[in-house]
Amino acid sequence: AQTVTQSQPEMSVQEAETVTLSCTYDTSESNYYLFWYKQPPSRQMILVIRQEAYKQQNATENRFSVNFQKAAKSFSLKISDSQLGDTAMYFCAFSLFGNEKLTFGTGTRLTIIP
Amino acid sequence: AAGVIQSPRHLIKEKRETATLKCYPIPRHDTVYWYQQGPGQDPQFLISFYEKMQSDKGSIPDRFSAQQFSDYHSELNMSSLELGDSALYFCASSQNSGESYNEQFFGPGTRLTVL
Repeated sequence: AQTVTQSQPEMSVQEAETVTLSCTYDTSESNYYLFWYKQPPSRQMILVIRQEAYKQQNATENRFSVNFQKAAKSFSLKISDSQLGDTAMYFCAFSLFGNEKLTFGTGTRLTIIP
Repeated sequence: AAGVIQSPRHLIKEKRETATLKCYPIPRHDTVYWYQQGPGQDPQFLISFYEKMQSDKGSIPDRFSAQQFSDYHSELNMSSLELGDSALYFCASSQNSGESYNEQFFGPGTRLTVL
């Protein structure tokens, strides 16, 4: 079974700064998908970014980028120029196939300070 | 753009009662997933359906059952409710396009409170 670990329960950063959220996972498979989801106070789950394990290049989406280290089974999320709207719970998630269930980490509560 | 619809948004039940949660996927989406998120916890996968057939099963209690109907909407039936069933229940849908990856789009969730 796959497991996802987020070791930072809470983080806070000043507006406009850069913050990195950590995630590690465990799997014996060679191909899989990794995701970062954002859950703001509204509780809606929003996909921030995804990474396919067979792709060497780190995914980027505007201010969001990942550092995917396959050998280390590490998948961190970097948020640049952080904004107040980035305040949310962030979940790292794993999927063995692109059409399969998601396994989530325990989440990191990120607060952006004005 | 149309999103995943879940009803009701809020539900309050007494212990040992039953509850039915409904999920209406995005049009043309053929796959539905159910997740349960307890207070302060991460979402846990319950069950999924593809083309009206159960495709995967997670940590879903025997007291719960679900199905996907011919119009692709899905219902999660919960019986003999317990206090521990209080949670936010998410439905997500995706379209199995034959590609290696099909994004799951989440609904707003149904908040179930068991008293």
